[in-house]
Amino acid sequence: SAVISQKPSRDICQRGTSLTIQCQVDSQVTMMFWYRQQPGQSLTLIATANQGSEATYESGFVIDKFPISRPNLTFSTLTVSNMSPEDSSIYLCSVEAVAGSNTGELFFGEGSRLTVL
Amino acid sequence: ILNVEQSPQSLHVQEGDSTNFTCSFPSSNFYALHWYRWETAKSPEALFVMTLNGDEKKKGRISATLNTKEGYSYLYIKGSQPEDSATYLCAFSSSGTYKYIFGTGTRLKVLA
Repeated sequence: SAVISQKPSRDICQRGTSLTIQCQVDSQVTMMFWYRQQPGQSLTLIATANQGSEATYESGFVIDKFPISRPNLTFSTLTVSNMSPEDSSIYLCSVEAVAGSNTGELFFGEGSRLTVL
Repeated sequence: ILNVEQSPQSLHVQEGDSTNFTCSFPSSNFYALHWYRWETAKSPEALFVMTLNGDEKKKGRISATLNTKEGYSYLYIKGSQPEDSATYLCAFSSSGTYKYIFGTGTRLKVLA
């Protein structure tokens, strides 16, 4: 199993500002995943963060808007840049229970609920 | 585009009732189907990981079945309790990728 600490748990932000979300895992993992859940929508993968290389972004998400850092095997950050009300979402970081396994369950942080005014 | 559908979107039941939800997913290139429970202000928590057609899994009062040929999974809760109130998510992964496609979830409220 993996214990994931994520912060902030919630924040209210002004339009045009940026916010960085931190994710700390209690064990070393190869891949960390960042998801977003907009109101009424499904959990959607933003990007996969690999240590020592650029993050891999999903269609519709770009590095300029969601820069990601992955300085070591236990930590990652996601920045939501130049926020607009459409960025109001729950952001979750996640790791797989068994690295590289497609059948492994995912472990999640408690999420960061962002409201952009 | 891979699509995962869950129904119903939300559900209110009385304590003690049994209930079930549906997850529909693409039947081609199936690899795994996950069920998660997500309580408010907590982390989503894995309930089941299912990989074989005909799989049936059980954890306490909760069970799940899987039909990969027709592309659906059912989650059953027997004798619902207020602590079962949560959003239940399913996630599908296809062969050759590590990515998971999530449904929008079923929000269950169990009334005491």
